[in-house]
Amino acid sequence: EVQLVESGGGLGQPGGSLRLSCAASGFIFSTSEMNWVRQTPEKGLEWVAYINRGGDNIYYADSVKGRFTISRDNAKNSLYLQMNSLRAEDTAIYYCASGTNYFDFWGQGTLVTVSS
Amino acid sequence: SYELTQPPSVSVSPGQTASLTCSGDQLGDKFVCWYHQRPGQSPVLLIYQDQKRPSGIPERFSGSNSGDTATLTISGTQALDEGVYYCQTWDSATDVVFGGGTKVTVL
Repeated sequence: EVQLVESGGGLGQPGGSLRLSCAASGFIFSTSEMNWVRQTPEKGLEWVAYINRGGDNIYYADSVKGRFTISRDNAKNSLYLQMNSLRAEDTAIYYCASGTNYFDFWGQGTLVTVSS
Repeated sequence: SYELTQPPSVSVSPGQTASLTCSGDQLGDKFVCWYHQRPGQSPVLLIYQDQKRPSGIPERFSGSNSGDTATLTISGTQALDEGVYYCQTWDSATDVVFGGGTKVTVL
C-alpha cells in the first residue's frame, strides 16, 4: 500500500523558516517524481514545487520561488520542503504528492500556520 | 495566468447522473484530470489524461474534454460520492493549474 506521511508543520513566524518532510513507503520512491501541493479554504489547491527522480530537475510556483526549496533523499525514501521567509499567505495544509503533471497519490497533509 | 472555472455546487439525486464541468481557454488542447476530496481527507485521483481511470476507480466515473470544456460524469451517483471535485490541467506555459472545485451534494 502506498503511503505518504508528512510532518514538520506547525506555527511559523513571519519571516521565519520551517522544514517539512514526507516519508514514502509502499512504492519505489527513487523512480517517482514528487511534488508539494498546498490547500487553503480561500485559494483552494495550489501546486508548490516539483522534483524529478534524481533531484536535478526542479520547478517552483512563482509564489514561492526564491523562498522555498524542494529536495529528496532517495536512500531515506523522503521528500523535503525548506520554507524560508515565511509569509501569512503561506498558511495552508501542505501535501506531498507523487506524479508528473497529475498527482496519483497524496499524503494526509500537514498544517502550516504563519502568524506572530 | 491560465484559469479553470468550475461551478461552485451541484446537487444530484441518488442513482442519477451528475455532470461536472471545468472550463478554460482551449482546454481541449490540454490534458485534464479530476480529483475527489471528502471533508477532512486528501484528494483522490479519479481521472487522468482526460478519460483514463486509475486502478480501483469505479467505471461510473468517466471524463471527456473538448473545446473549452472538460466534463466529469458520475453515473448512478451514490451518497459516498459527496464531496468536492477538482479539475486540474498543466502545460509548459501554465505549469499546474487547479479549478476552484465543485461541491457535490447527493440529496
